Amino acid sequence: RKEVEQDPGPFNVPEGATVAFNCTYSNSASQSFFWYRQDCRKEPKLLMSVYSSGNEDGRFTAQLNRASQYISLLIRDSKLSDSATYLCGSGAGNMLTFGGGTRLMVKP
Amino acid sequence: EPEVTQTPSHQVTQMGQEVILRCVPISNHLYFYWYRQILGQKVEFLVSFYNNEISEKSEIFDDQFSVERPDGSNFTLKIRSTKLEDSAMYFCASSTIYEGQTLYEQYFGPGTRLTVT
Repeated sequence: RKEVEQDPGPFNVPEGATVAFNCTYSNSASQSFFWYRQDCRKEPKLLMSVYSSGNEDGRFTAQLNRASQYISLLIRDSKLSDSATYLCGSGAGNMLTFGGGTRLMVKP
Repeated sequence: EPEVTQTPSHQVTQMGQEVILRCVPISNHLYFYWYRQILGQKVEFLVSFYNNEISEKSEIFDDQFSVERPDGSNFTLKIRSTKLEDSAMYFCASSTIYEGQTLYEQYFGPGTRLTVT
């Protein structure tokens, strides 16, 4: 069975902190990887794609380690508005498999 | 900014009834998907659709489910005889291109909350 695993958290951090999430995937055929953000009872919103070793977009950095089959997401200078659940997804063929998500709560 | 839309936002139905969930993907996208998320659980892949046919489906997508693109804009998911355990949020997604084994970014609609009583 092709699984994606994430620490469910919650990660409680103060504003301005740096926080990192990891995600492991079991399907060695996966070629594309994504981080989505999901707010309570809303749809997943694409945050970042990771096609090679990594990607950076402002305060967000994603890294891929194919040998160990994990993807990480680093958030620098956390904002209150970053509070959400972060979903890791791995893609193989025409199918995206999600982890259960990691909940982040940023406190003032 | 173009977005995926879904109707209705909430559907309540009785067990055994048929429901049709509707989606309008982003206009220049070619690949379409349905996912479901039972409350408190993972987002689960159901099916992908390209060029008027199913390209991949999960174990969840059994004979009670079907998909259709009845015209140039709509993409529908039909559940023939709903069960209590079909209660979930159903998300439609679309993506623009797919080459070989690389899956391109999928954009999700706001979802339809299906409640089966």
